[in-house]
Amino acid sequence: EPEVTQTPSHQVTQMGQEVILRCVPISNHLYFYWYRQILGQKVEFLVSFYNNEISEKSEIFDDQFSVERPDGSNFTLKIRSTKLEDSAMYFCASSDSSRTDTQYFGPGTRLTVL
Amino acid sequence: GESVGLHLPTLSVQEGDNSIINCAYSNSASDYFIWYKQESGKGPQFIIDIRSNMDKRQGQRVTVLLNKTVKHLSLQIAATQPGDSAVYFCAENLPSYGKLTFGQGTILTVHP
Repeated sequence: EPEVTQTPSHQVTQMGQEVILRCVPISNHLYFYWYRQILGQKVEFLVSFYNNEISEKSEIFDDQFSVERPDGSNFTLKIRSTKLEDSAMYFCASSDSSRTDTQYFGPGTRLTVL
Repeated sequence: GESVGLHLPTLSVQEGDNSIINCAYSNSASDYFIWYKQESGKGPQFIIDIRSNMDKRQGQRVTVLLNKTVKHLSLQIAATQPGDSAVYFCAENLPSYGKLTFGQGTILTVHP
């Protein structure tokens, strides 16, 4: 069964450093998303991406964040200058063109900012 | 129901019992709802979905009920198994929007 994959599973970084979280969505999917989950809290939407541009973003997704689809398979989330409060699980999700709201999630990357 | 902060609602059941997990959603304009299961250290796993033009949908061992009048969603799990132990989240979606809004989650613990 096709699935969303994410790397790395755990990223530790120093405050102020840049990090790139990587995702490989399901191969025939066209819509991509990033969500985050702070420990013990609910999953929060960050950004949606379609046709090489951002469709929608939340207030969390400020100028420190960016997304990119550098090739035909990867989808990345970059945090330019990490803050302590960026520590969270980051989930990538994807959906196909026929069911844009049925989103399938990857296993997540745990980001720890020290 | 839902709770705020870090204290999630919990449900403990015996193996073989039926479980009912509830969720109050926030936006009356939402037209699509999904239940996700999240095991420790893993991403949300799709369980079942329902559109607003339905009030009940059944899957394998799971049933979702939607009450739009009171903005309430429930997930029923028949013959609950230890492998069902996880956090369960409901999520809602507005028409034409790709973002899901998640509830706080309920911790389900199934005792053998």
